[in-house]
Amino acid sequence: GENVEQHPSTLSVQEGDSAVIKCTYSDSASNYFPWYKQELGKRPQLIIDIRSNVGEKKDQRIAVTLNKTAKHFSLHITETQPEDSAVYFCAASMRGEGKLIFGQGTELSVKP
Amino acid sequence: EAGVVQSPRYKIIEKKQPVAFWCNPISGHNTLYWYLQNLGQGPELLIRYENEEAVDDSQLPKDRFSAERLKGVDSTLKIQPAELGDSAVYLCASSFTGANTGELFFGEGSRLTVL
Repeated sequence: GENVEQHPSTLSVQEGDSAVIKCTYSDSASNYFPWYKQELGKRPQLIIDIRSNVGEKKDQRIAVTLNKTAKHFSLHITETQPEDSAVYFCAASMRGEGKLIFGQGTELSVKP
Repeated sequence: EAGVVQSPRYKIIEKKQPVAFWCNPISGHNTLYWYLQNLGQGPELLIRYENEEAVDDSQLPKDRFSAERLKGVDSTLKIQPAELGDSAVYLCASSFTGANTGELFFGEGSRLTVL
């Protein structure tokens, strides 16, 4: 079955700096890659996703890149702000199958 | 629009006691998921329903865990008897299979502490 590895487990940046979180997946059949943000004690919420027919997607300060050949995808947050502090999870699935396999999470801390 | 509703939010029980969690998905969402989230870990799928049918329960420990989704709407997840290692957050999520996006909408979770 699918396995998703996420790095780093913790990341601390200064406000205004960029943050990058990386994930690798094992199943070449996976074609949907979302990123969820989970604030302390809150529900995970989708922040951006990408499908395998696209190499990059941007939404304001966040972007996701996908390398299907290497089976890895990354989340990029630019101009980080303290409210970006949270745990970020990557995930992978076959779209339509509905079963998301999550990475272990990255705790991002943005210091003012 | 109401989101995914879960109850109770918190539950503390002694080991060997039973416990049940309830989930009401977003109206119109035909797919419902129960995920287990241990502290500092990503969510792990326990069971997935398409309408009232459990289509993926391979990760559900069936000796003590059971789930049902009567009428294809609300769902209940039960643990009997609970063990110390069951302490975790139980997340319910829902989605609409026919949607163009694969987004899952999560509830706030039910945090279980087994003493």
